[in-house]
Amino acid sequence: GAVVSQHPSRVICKSGTSVKIECRSLDFQATTMFWYRQFPKQSLMLMATSNEGSKATYEQGVEKDKFLINHASLTLSTLTVTSAHPEDSSFYICSATLPGGEQYFGPGTRLTVT
Amino acid sequence: SQKIEQNSEALNIQEGKTATLTCNYTNYSPAYLQWYRQDPGRGPVFLLLIRENEKEKRKERLKVTFDTTLKQSLFHITASQPADSATYLCALVYSSASKIIFGSGTRLSIRP
Repeated sequence: GAVVSQHPSRVICKSGTSVKIECRSLDFQATTMFWYRQFPKQSLMLMATSNEGSKATYEQGVEKDKFLINHASLTLSTLTVTSAHPEDSSFYICSATLPGGEQYFGPGTRLTVT
Repeated sequence: SQKIEQNSEALNIQEGKTATLTCNYTNYSPAYLQWYRQDPGRGPVFLLLIRENEKEKRKERLKVTFDTTLKQSLFHITASQPADSATYLCALVYSSASKIIFGSGTRLSIRP
């Protein structure tokens, strides 16, 4: 099946710093990618839709100035958590959609803010 | 607003039996419905997609049904194995938007 990678898989940062997470589609081009966050024992919550070459669409309640999304190419989207705080600690997952509608997810990035 | 309910938070069954998970939704039917498996600390893994004009889809030991009258999808794992233990998520995609709406998941445990 299609492969989506994320980097890093784990990151620990200090409060107030920024962290960048990369999401790549390895064997297909993705004009649209999605970013989710997931808290323990909860389902995925969509944060934003990342569109190649244009601005991301954010879900209600998600601060676009805090969670910066850049979709610079058809195979790469990045999520930058700016001025991170402990409450931003979570599991961040990206996904990309194939033309047939199947959505493939990356392995996730565990962010811990101390 | 659209709601998705997966029948139970946890399901425990004996190895070799068929596991049946339920996904119910309210309001209008999606263009298609997907099932995913998620293991702890990992991203979801795509399993099956079924469209609104399809009644049933199969893949090896997996079977998905989609009943737009009942507004329900059933996900079956036949000849279940302990390795099938995971959380299973159903997700709906509507034609008017490309984003996915996820259910809360069912944690399936297969005991030897």
